[in-house]
Amino acid sequence: EPEVTQTPSHQVTQMGQEVILRCVPISNHLYFYWYRQILGQKVEFLVSFYNNEISEKSEIFDDQFSVERPDGSNFTLKIRSTKLEDSAMYFCASTQNTEAFFGQGTRLTVV
Amino acid sequence: RKEVEQDPGPFNVPEGATVAFNCTYSNSASQSFFWYRQDCRKEPKLLMSVYSSGNEDGRFTAQLNRASQYISLLIRDSKLSDSATYLCVSLYYSSASKIIFGSGTRLSIRP
Repeated sequence: EPEVTQTPSHQVTQMGQEVILRCVPISNHLYFYWYRQILGQKVEFLVSFYNNEISEKSEIFDDQFSVERPDGSNFTLKIRSTKLEDSAMYFCASTQNTEAFFGQGTRLTVV
Repeated sequence: RKEVEQDPGPFNVPEGATVAFNCTYSNSASQSFFWYRQDCRKEPKLLMSVYSSGNEDGRFTAQLNRASQYISLLIRDSKLSDSATYLCVSLYYSSASKIIFGSGTRLSIRP
């Protein structure tokens, strides 16, 4: 079965540092997403990406966040200067028509 | 109104009981629906996809009512291992594709 893979599974970083979360979506999918879930809270939409550009972003996705599809396979989420409140599970997803697949998540801990 | 709304939880039922969750969606363009289960500190895992009127898989039955814009999940003969948070997810795709998560319903099965 196809799967979305995310790396790393767990990242610990100091406040103020930059982090890059990586995702490899399903190869024939065209839409890509990042979501986050703060421990004990609901899954929150961050951004969707299509045709090499952001198609929609939430208010959470401020100037500290950026996404990129640098090489046609990876889909990355960069947080420029992490804050304590960025600590969460970050999920990548890709969709094509009726299919939607999620990665296993990256747990980001900002200390 | 939230785009995807779920029953408020938590549900606390005895083992062997039948439990039903409802989920309503506001965007009539939503075309696919999913039920995910999420265990504590883990990523959401796909339980069932619902494309047409419904789907059944063992003890789990999902039904879709497009006229009333709701999806339900029925769990029969519940097991202790069914304890989790159940997320209702809608996917629509036209000029853009969007995945919307409900806030989740927590289910706790007691012996």
